[in-house]
Amino acid sequence: DQQVKQNSPSLSVQEGRISILNCDYTNSMFDYFLWYKKYPAEGPTFLISISSIKDKNEDGRFTVFLNKSAKHLSLHIVPSQPGDSAVYFCAASVYNNNDMRFGAGTRLTVKP
Amino acid sequence: EAGVVQSPRYKIIEKKQPVAFWCNPISGHNTLYWYRQNLGQGPELLIRYENEEAVDDSQLPKDRFSAERLKGVDSTLKIQPAELGDSAVYLCASSLDSREGNIQYFGAGTRLSVL
Repeated sequence: DQQVKQNSPSLSVQEGRISILNCDYTNSMFDYFLWYKKYPAEGPTFLISISSIKDKNEDGRFTVFLNKSAKHLSLHIVPSQPGDSAVYFCAASVYNNNDMRFGAGTRLTVKP
Repeated sequence: EAGVVQSPRYKIIEKKQPVAFWCNPISGHNTLYWYRQNLGQGPELLIRYENEEAVDDSQLPKDRFSAERLKGVDSTLKIQPAELGDSAVYLCASSLDSREGNIQYFGAGTRLSVL
């Protein structure tokens, strides 16, 4: 069963604007969430994470928001840059348990 | 610091042939993972090692897949015989330990095409 869902396969935004990538999960036991970025012909690279004790975590242009009641998280990229064009995977797990579940990914295209 | 190294990067074989993938994790990382990523999907765990012990292989198709991690460092994943449906990218990842949460570091993957 798909415990982590990214319902938008693709997203296109203009350079300088905000990119918002969404992720939903079904397992209420998940308490640690991560975003990975993947360029073509490379493996996924860790971008940002958030634990369930927080509702927001910020790192430069990247902010992740967590809504536990809705079982929803989102990644905001502001401002978006052409180099941000990649596939973004949402992942979830129980903290300190290495069983991580990934969404199907969202392909972000940032147009100059 | 060197990242996770995988080889080969690409492999094309005919069905029913054997194939093997190799992974060298980041030095000092005790936990090693093998994932399979089908086109348009996220990575799915096949097997996880803590040092040399396979602690989660529930998703590994044991009739044709096998893996080993001798001495708790390098690992190999083997498929014998390969089927058409095995075409995918096979990713290896490693992590230090639970103190970093679950941050896993991935290799570039091996893209397998079974003809």
